[in-house]
Formats: sequence, C-alpha cells, structure tokens
Amino acid sequence: GEDVEQSLFLSVREGDSSVINCTYTDSSSTYLYWYKQEPGAGLQLLTYIFSNMDMKQDQRLTVLLNKKDKHLSLRIADTQTGDSAIYFCAEYTGGFKTIFGAGTRLFVKA
Amino acid sequence: DAGVIQSPRHEVTEMGQEVTLRCKPISGHDYLFWYRQTMMRGLELLIYFNNNVPIDDSGMPEDRFSAKMPNASFSTLKIQPSEPRDSAVYFCASSQQGAGELFFGEGSRLTVL
Repeated sequence: GEDVEQSLFLSVREGDSSVINCTYTDSSSTYLYWYKQEPGAGLQLLTYIFSNMDMKQDQRLTVLLNKKDKHLSLRIADTQTGDSAIYFCAEYTGGFKTIFGAGTRLFVKA
Repeated sequence: DAGVIQSPRHEVTEMGQEVTLRCKPISGHDYLFWYRQTMMRGLELLIYFNNNVPIDDSGMPEDRFSAKMPNASFSTLKIQPSEPRDSAVYFCASSQQGAGELFFGEGSRLTVL
C-alpha cells in the first residue's frame, strides 16, 4: 500500500543545519516532493526530486533520495527562524494521487 | 495570477447547519483537489476533479459531504448537516497536470459547535 512516514518534530538552533527525514513504501513513486506550511497558510511546494535522481540542490536546500531504502531527506543549511514551519514529504505514484506524510514541525531557536 | 482563492477563511457554525466552502482555482489548471487537514488524521484527499468532472470521490467521508465544479473557475464543498467531527481546515488545490505539484489555497477553517 501507499504510506509516507515522517518524524513529527525537529528542533534546531538558528544557523545550524536541519535534516528532515521521510520514508515511503511505494517503489513505483515517480516524483517525491517537499512542501512547507507556515502557520495559517496553505502548503507551498519547496522542491521535488525525480525518482531517477539521487540528489538535488537548490540554494540552502538539499534533497537526498535513497531508492533502495525508500528514504528521502531534506537538509536546510544555515536554518533561520523564518524556516520554522511544518514540512510535508509527499509521493506521486500516478493516478493523479499525491500521498502526504503527517508533516514534521520544525522549531528554530534563536 | 492571484493563486487559489478559498472562502470563507473561517467559519463557525452549529451542529446540523449546512456549510458551503468555495474555491477558485488558478486559471488554466485542469485539476482541482479538496483536502481536509486535522491533527489526528493529517492531510486527507477528499475528492478531485479533472476538467470539471469528479474523478475520484473515494475520500469523501460520508453522504453528508458533496462537491461540485460547475465550471472551470469555481468549485464548492458542501456539508449537510454538519457535525462537530467535521471541524478541520479544508484546503483546495489545483494543478496543471494532476501530478504532485499542487498549488494550495490558504484554507477554510471550519469549527462546528
């Protein structure tokens, strides 16, 4: 079946790196996504990786994909207080269905 | 583009009342999705439309829930009668290709007393 799992909370100090982890079950996933949700707002696409890639870097964001272990991670370098939000991992397996994880709440301490 | 627009942003109602949530997708997007977010269950897909036609409504919890998309620029999600367990944030999202790149509205926070 389809399932996406994430840890619920992560706390880091400002300036440190944050690493948010995600595991998924469907090996036929074609795209894997990271969305960000700020308080009182909708989800916003941060970045994505195609399933035939191992890594994608976009400014302070690095996405790593381990297909063998079905493990996805999002690294935020030099984490700022403005990065405090909920981060959702999501997989798209076709059929126009995107499966979201429960979200990881990132707390950034000044 | 203004993005996906939802209304109302907040709705407080009493059990048994009818609730209608509205959504205007991004122009040119052929897919529209309704999600519900709660602390207990996370983000759940309720229903999605392609070219105004409902494709998959398997996530709609009960017959009390219904959704329509009369044209490409408007959709509604109706709950009748509403119950306290329907309290949640309801999101509308649209996309061009139906894949995972979804554009979300700011959500409608529903509280049923």
